[in-house]
Parts: sequence; structure tokens; C-alpha cells
Amino acid sequence: QVQLVQSGAEVKKPGASVTISCKASGYTFTEHYIHWLRQAPGQGLEWVGMINIIEGSTTYARIFQGRVTMSRDTPTNTVYMELRSLTFDDTAVYYCARDWGRPMYFFDHWGQGTLVTASS
Amino acid sequence: DVQLTQSPSSLPASAGDRVTITCRASQDIIKYLNWYRQKPGKAPELLIYEADTVQSGVPSRFSGGGSGTDFTLTITGLQVEDFATYYCQQSYNTLLSFGGGTKVVI
Repeated sequence: QVQLVQSGAEVKKPGASVTISCKASGYTFTEHYIHWLRQAPGQGLEWVGMINIIEGSTTYARIFQGRVTMSRDTPTNTVYMELRSLTFDDTAVYYCARDWGRPMYFFDHWGQGTLVTASS
Repeated sequence: DVQLTQSPSSLPASAGDRVTITCRASQDIIKYLNWYRQKPGKAPELLIYEADTVQSGVPSRFSGGGSGTDFTLTITGLQVEDFATYYCQQSYNTLLSFGGGTKVVI
């Protein structure tokens, strides 16, 4: 079955960077884009960006451009998201999610979420 | 950017009820509107895509409709597990966005 397994919770100081991983299994890794989304405590969902697994090309939401980098390692079926210059407002659960198609821009399988806390 | 407005933000209901949630887009998005259910502490689950197509494995009590700027999610016969928060999401362009959510409460 399709699974996306994310790395564990992180606590970082404001100004630092964080990298989260998402390991995929149960499907052909190169056939689906991977997206990253986040959800601040008690808030709604926010799209961060996406990566084309075959080409490695990325598209980021405007508010994250310049501060986020997504990458993939095809031999290990793993996608990474690095977020730099953290502020308190970046405290959130971050999710990776598989695109339904190639791409269709909606999400049929999700990781379990990774809590990132920016705290001094 | 496409803005999505959901209503209501909170929806009191009882098990067995039929409920409808609305999502309005700030521009014509044709049928590129998707719905998710999020249970507390869990990742969202895809229910409906492209306005009215039920995702594989999703119970038949969920249905979607609409086109253009106005869309609906209907749950016919609420189950205990449906007391959750629902989000709409547009896939009309690559600047993907979500509605603010509707919490279905007892």
C-alpha cells in the first residue's frame, strides 16, 4: 500500500533552518509529484510547494520563495524540504502529500505530519 | 490568486443528518475543486476531486457538486467519524489554495 513516512519532530531557534524528509513506498516513485503543505496550530491548510520527481524541478508558493528548497533522492524514494530563516510563525505541522496524477494538483496520500516548533 | 470561502465555519449536526457545506471561489475555476476531511490530530483525507468525483474507497454518503464559482459537499447520513473539519482546495492553477475549513460538531 502507498505510504509516506516523515521524519520526526524538530525544535529550532528563530533564524535557523530545518530539513524534513518524506520516504515513499508502495508505488512507482517517479510517477507522482510530491507536495509539501503546512498547518499552524488551530489553523487551516497552506500549500508550500511541489517537486517533479522525474526532473527535480520545483514550484513554490510565492510567500516561501527564497526561503524553501525541495529536493529528492530517487534511489531511496525520499523527498526533502528545507525551510530557512525560521520565525515563530513557521511553527506548524508540515505534511508531504502525493499528487493524484502527473500532476493533477490534488493529494491522494499524505504523510503523518512533522511538527516543527520555532522557539527561543 | 484564487480565494476560497467556505460556509459555514461551524456546523452543528447530529448522527444521521444530511449536511451541506459550501465553497465559493473568487473566480471561475470550472470544476477544479477538491474536498478533504480532517479528523483531529490526523492528516487530511481526499474525499471528492474535480467537484463531483468520489475518490476510490470513500463511502457513498459523500457527494460533491457545482461548477464555476459555487461548489457543495453533501454528507447524507452523518456517521460518528464524520464529526471533523472539512476543507475545499482549488487545483485550477498551480498557486494551490484552500478554504478556511468547516468544522462539523455535535
